[in-house]
Amino acid sequence: GQNIDQPTEMTATEGAIVQINCTYQTSGFNGLFWYQQHAGEAPTFLSYNVLDGLEEKGRFSSFLSRSKGYSYLLLKELQMKDSASYLCAVRNNNAGNMLTFGGGTRLMVKP
Amino acid sequence: GAVVSQHPSRVICKSGTSVKIECRSLDFQATTMFWYRQFPKQSLMLMATSNEGSKATYEQGVEKDKFLINHASLTLSTLTVTSAHPEDSSFYICSATMVGLYNEQFFGPGTRLTVL
Repeated sequence: GQNIDQPTEMTATEGAIVQINCTYQTSGFNGLFWYQQHAGEAPTFLSYNVLDGLEEKGRFSSFLSRSKGYSYLLLKELQMKDSASYLCAVRNNNAGNMLTFGGGTRLMVKP
Repeated sequence: GAVVSQHPSRVICKSGTSVKIECRSLDFQATTMFWYRQFPKQSLMLMATSNEGSKATYEQGVEKDKFLINHASLTLSTLTVTSAHPEDSSFYICSATMVGLYNEQFFGPGTRLTVL
């Protein structure tokens, strides 16, 4: 089976930096995705990591360490609109490349 | 590109009725579509994987006779919730996979089902 853990909730201040961690245990690892989801809406793609290292995309960066089963999503220069849930999802090539989602981290950005 | 639509966006029905939800990939062909269910303040739970022209693969605990999935073409999959009950009230989201750089899943906007 697969086990994906991420904090349930986080709070940060507008303009600050926040790091959301995700740990996973899986066989057949074939990539890790981060999605952003606002309440009542579908998830939107943020980033994808399949090799170790940091992927930077504007204010958002994502890091992966396959040996540690660990990833983080880094959000810089936080804006109020960044208040949302952030979902870590692992793809498993032993299961038809399906995604398994973590429980999601609800981020609240305060002024 | 890579737009996925769902219809309806919101539905309210009486207990015991059946509800059909459509998922369409608008500008690409999707050999695989996924159906998820999401309860309030919880993450997405995969219900089934749907491949065009073949039977859907259901996750453990999901009743295939209650949640009927038909993947009739490369751009359309439907989920029918049969004999819906209040506990079936949830946010149903579909996604479609497009062969590409990440083979990522593109999500539809979701369907909010409320069973009275």
